[in-house]
Amino acid sequence: GQNIDQPTEMTATEGAIVQINCTYQTSGFNGLFWYQQHAGEAPTFLSYNVLDGLEEKGRFSSFLSRSKGYSYLLLKELQMKDSASYLCAVREEGSYIPTFGRGTSLIVHP
Amino acid sequence: DTGVSQNPRHKITKRGQNVTFRCDPISEHNRLYWYRQTLGQGPEFLTYFQNEAQLEKSRLLSDRFSAERPKGSFSTLEIQRTEQGDSAMYLCASQTGGPMGEQYFGPGTRLTVT
Repeated sequence: GQNIDQPTEMTATEGAIVQINCTYQTSGFNGLFWYQQHAGEAPTFLSYNVLDGLEEKGRFSSFLSRSKGYSYLLLKELQMKDSASYLCAVREEGSYIPTFGRGTSLIVHP
Repeated sequence: DTGVSQNPRHKITKRGQNVTFRCDPISEHNRLYWYRQTLGQGPEFLTYFQNEAQLEKSRLLSDRFSAERPKGSFSTLEIQRTEQGDSAMYLCASQTGGPMGEQYFGPGTRLTVT
């Protein structure tokens, strides 16, 4: 099984930078995903990391350290529309099925 | 629109009734997943199909739950003798066949059991 831990809630100011952390424990690793989910809507794919390092995609970046069982999602130039839940999901070796964390609710205020 | 679609979007039913939900995945995706999500939680895996074959079921999936994907295209999820604890958002996702395998989620069916 897997244990995925991420903060329940974070707040940040419009225009600022926020880092959402995710730690995981798994017997074998086959990729980590970040999804964004607005209230009442379906999750949408943001990023995928399978090797150590930083993946940058516009205002969003995701980092992975497999040896530490650690990832973060970095959101720059925050906008009000970034207020959402951010889900970390980990896939075990040999499986197509990601296991999701509880999500981090990000509140962006003016 | 070529995204994942789910019907109905909302379902209110009385305890003990049977309900069936439908998911139409992205046409070229051969993998299809069902998840359940409750407030403040991430999606919980229920079951997974590759083409028409149901390859894995979560132990969360009691014998009241059954899923099918008869022709490897759309899928249905049936819940028999619904209980109040079944109230949740039921999400369907389809997945590309590539190594990254990101999932594309449908809008979900919100079930309320009264």
